[in-house]
Amino acid sequence: IAGITQAPTSQILAAGRRMTLRCTQDMRHNAMYWYRQDLGLGLRLIHYSNTAGTTGKGEVPDGYSVSRANTDDFPLTLASAVPSQTSVYFCASGELGTGYNEQFFGPGTRLTVL
Amino acid sequence: AQKITQTQPGMFVQEKEAVTLDCTYDTSDPSYGLFWYKQPSSGEMIFLIYQGSYDQQNATEGRYSLNFQKARKSANLVISASQLGDSAMYFCAMRGTNTGNQFYFGTGTSLTVIP
Repeated sequence: IAGITQAPTSQILAAGRRMTLRCTQDMRHNAMYWYRQDLGLGLRLIHYSNTAGTTGKGEVPDGYSVSRANTDDFPLTLASAVPSQTSVYFCASGELGTGYNEQFFGPGTRLTVL
Repeated sequence: AQKITQTQPGMFVQEKEAVTLDCTYDTSDPSYGLFWYKQPSSGEMIFLIYQGSYDQQNATEGRYSLNFQKARKSANLVISASQLGDSAMYFCAMRGTNTGNQFYFGTGTSLTVIP
């Protein structure tokens, strides 16, 4: 069982270019999330989806878009990358509900925007 | 608004000793869950322990325990008998009833275990 896969593992991107980070889970979780991790700031939520066909904005959504066409896939798109989007991006998934429902994380994508 | 605060950017502990990593939170939700994750230098996020706001007892998982003080809004992680492999970043996180299943993370504590 793979859990959550992310692609690419790392990427160097010129400013102004469009980029899609891919995320796929095989656990059939309803909810999926995208975070960015920056030194000293922890993990900040970019966008989330509680079920296929719905998405919501997190703490830092500007410059990013997501879609959730099916349960398994949750791509994150940077329409026109800027250097401040240099970060490590984590995709996560989990079951809905506020009980013992941990989030499972992918291995991360290291993105550098020059 | 939900907020998680981890005030210790870096901590050191001697091997085999116990260490406490601090976490305080702020929420108006009546029901919430608190989580701790470990991130070693390899970068993956590893779930460690969970505490529900209505749980009567502090959570324990092996060498990890959570010192939950609801009135003080604190959820400190205690690692007993530290091992070299415990050297990592540790993140406290919270999810509340009214946050649409969103998790809120603290800024993390870097723990170094000294041999």
